[in-house]
Amino acid sequence: AQRVTQPEKLLSVFKGAPVELKCNYSYSGSPELFWYVQYSRQRLQLLLRHISRESIKGFTADLNKGETSFHLKKPFAQEEDSAMYYCALCRYGNNRLAFGKGNQVVVIP
Amino acid sequence: EPEVTQTPSHQVTQMGQEVILRCVPISNHLYFYWYRQILGQKVEFLVSFYNNEISEKSEIFDDQFSVERPDGSNFTLKIRSTKLEDSAMYFCASITGEAADTQYFGPGTRLTVL
Repeated sequence: AQRVTQPEKLLSVFKGAPVELKCNYSYSGSPELFWYVQYSRQRLQLLLRHISRESIKGFTADLNKGETSFHLKKPFAQEEDSAMYYCALCRYGNNRLAFGKGNQVVVIP
Repeated sequence: EPEVTQTPSHQVTQMGQEVILRCVPISNHLYFYWYRQILGQKVEFLVSFYNNEISEKSEIFDDQFSVERPDGSNFTLKIRSTKLEDSAMYFCASITGEAADTQYFGPGTRLTVL
């Protein structure tokens, strides 16, 4: 079974401080990992996925298969980064997503 | 940019009543999904739909649930006899099915069962 764990529920950081959201997963096959973001009163939207190896809005995430992790990082938080962040996984070739519980990020001005 | 739409945004119903949640996926998308999120819990997969039939469903998606694509644009989720524990946000999503595409989510329908 696929499982995604995001340990902290709420993360408060000051503007300009680094942000790291932890995500660990359990899955025996080849996973695809994603980070989704939900800004206040908006829909869930894709932030980034591991196969793209992109940096979106200053965020990066590296898939570490040894540690089964896909932590999300940003070196300098901005106020507009305040949102809910969800780590998600699917089997390669199957788009059914398994989500973590999400992290509420609050960036303090 | 095209978006997935969902109606209504909020539905209140009495326990035991039937509800139909509606979604209009993005027009060239071929795969459709329903997820739900009970307050304070994870977003959970319910069902996926492709080529006018269910391709996968979770253990949550029991006989009380059904999905349909009645007219080639709408994608509906029906709950036959609602229970208190069906209160949740229900999200529709769609995807083209092409390699490296991602799911696009609707804004959700908040279902409240009294």
